[in-house]
Amino acid sequence: EVQLVESGGGLVKPGGSLRLSCAASGFTFSSYSMNWVRQAPGKGLEWVSSISSSSSYIYYADSVKGRFTISRDNAKNSLYLQMNSLRAEDTAVYYCARDSIVGASGWFDPWGQGTLVTVSS
Amino acid sequence: EIVMTQSPATLSVSPGERATLSCRASQSVSSNLAWYQQKPGQAPRLLIYGASTRATGIPARFSGSGSGTEFTLTISSLQSEDFAVYYCQQYNNWPPGFTFGPGTKVDIK
Repeated sequence: EVQLVESGGGLVKPGGSLRLSCAASGFTFSSYSMNWVRQAPGKGLEWVSSISSSSSYIYYADSVKGRFTISRDNAKNSLYLQMNSLRAEDTAVYYCARDSIVGASGWFDPWGQGTLVTVSS
Repeated sequence: EIVMTQSPATLSVSPGERATLSCRASQSVSSNLAWYQQKPGQAPRLLIYGASTRATGIPARFSGSGSGTEFTLTISSLQSEDFAVYYCQQYNNWPPGFTFGPGTKVDIK
């Protein structure tokens, strides 16, 4: 069964840092591009960042560029999101999502269950 | 940046009725559009990609159409498990990124 499990969320003060992880199983992780998508409480979905299968291509939303860093460890079947200089507006559930097909597709399937990040003093 | 809009914001439908959801892009995205379903407390689930191709395991009552800037998701006969929020997402303008619509909530009339 294809599975994505996020961890690392929690409460952090403005200006603080947090590192999210996403553990993948049930598929050849190293063959797929991966993504982070977030959802503020009661709001819609916002794409955050994408990384290609070999980490050659990395993209960020303007809202997080320069503060967040996406990375992956194909040997550990894991995706990461290092979040620095956190702001209240970064408060959201963060989802890890796989590109649907090998290589890159642009549509996401499946998604993890999400991890909640709360930025508050 | 391509801006996605969805209408209506909320759609009240009786079980067994047809639901028609609209998604509009601020510029052409060709057929590079996906639809997702999200139920409360759950992650989004892919329904449609390529504007009209159902994802694996998605019932035939879900259908997508459109191209360019105007898209439609139709649920032919609403089942109780279909009451949820539906998002469209464009992936034509990528890189640099993807954009989602604000969502349409389908609730029970």
